[in-house]
Amino acid sequence: EAAVTQSPRNKVAVTGGKVTLSCNQTNNHNNMYWYRQDTGHGLRLIHYSYGAGSTEKGDIPDGYKASRPSQENFSLILELATPSQTSVYFCASAPTGGLSYEQYFGPGTRLTVL
Amino acid sequence: GDKVKQSPSALSLQEGTNSALRCNFSIAATTVQWFLQNPRGSLMNLFYLVPGTKENGRLKSAFDSKESYSTLHIRDAQLEDSGTYFCAAEASTNTGKLTFGDGTVLTVKP
Repeated sequence: EAAVTQSPRNKVAVTGGKVTLSCNQTNNHNNMYWYRQDTGHGLRLIHYSYGAGSTEKGDIPDGYKASRPSQENFSLILELATPSQTSVYFCASAPTGGLSYEQYFGPGTRLTVL
Repeated sequence: GDKVKQSPSALSLQEGTNSALRCNFSIAATTVQWFLQNPRGSLMNLFYLVPGTKENGRLKSAFDSKESYSTLHIRDAQLEDSGTYFCAAEASTNTGKLTFGDGTVLTVKP
């Protein structure tokens, strides 16, 4: 079973502050993803990565940066947090090169921006 | 979302009954994944599908890429099946970029 962990699990931030959400996976998956989920909706892709040093824009990248310093770690950075970024953030990883590119999700981080 | 439409949006079942959830795609989906989000918020993988069908216990899923839809059948529903079911489609092969539907909230009652 894939293991994806996220920290912190809960975060309260102030408007204009900097927030960093961290994700770690121990499965040697090449691909990693950051999504946000707003109440009553599905997940939307913010940024993703194909491997260490790579970051790509997803469907809703504005206001977010990403960093992939290693195979295991993928961070989501909010340089100037706004209340509209209050949401639950999920990280996922997926293998590449095989028959299945199934994504495995972390437990989520609940972010509240006041 | 508009690109992946799930139906119904909510469903209530008696324990032991059967039902089907559906996703219609307005994008050219190449693969589909189904997830169950439990009441605590955790996402569990149910199926990863290329065109065709898969079965796992009381769950069966099908993906028809030509007709742009996928279904998830639940047989003999149990209380622990309650939660929100999401389908997600990949439109570009090998990128893993998923587009999610808004989910079906399933409540199984005793």
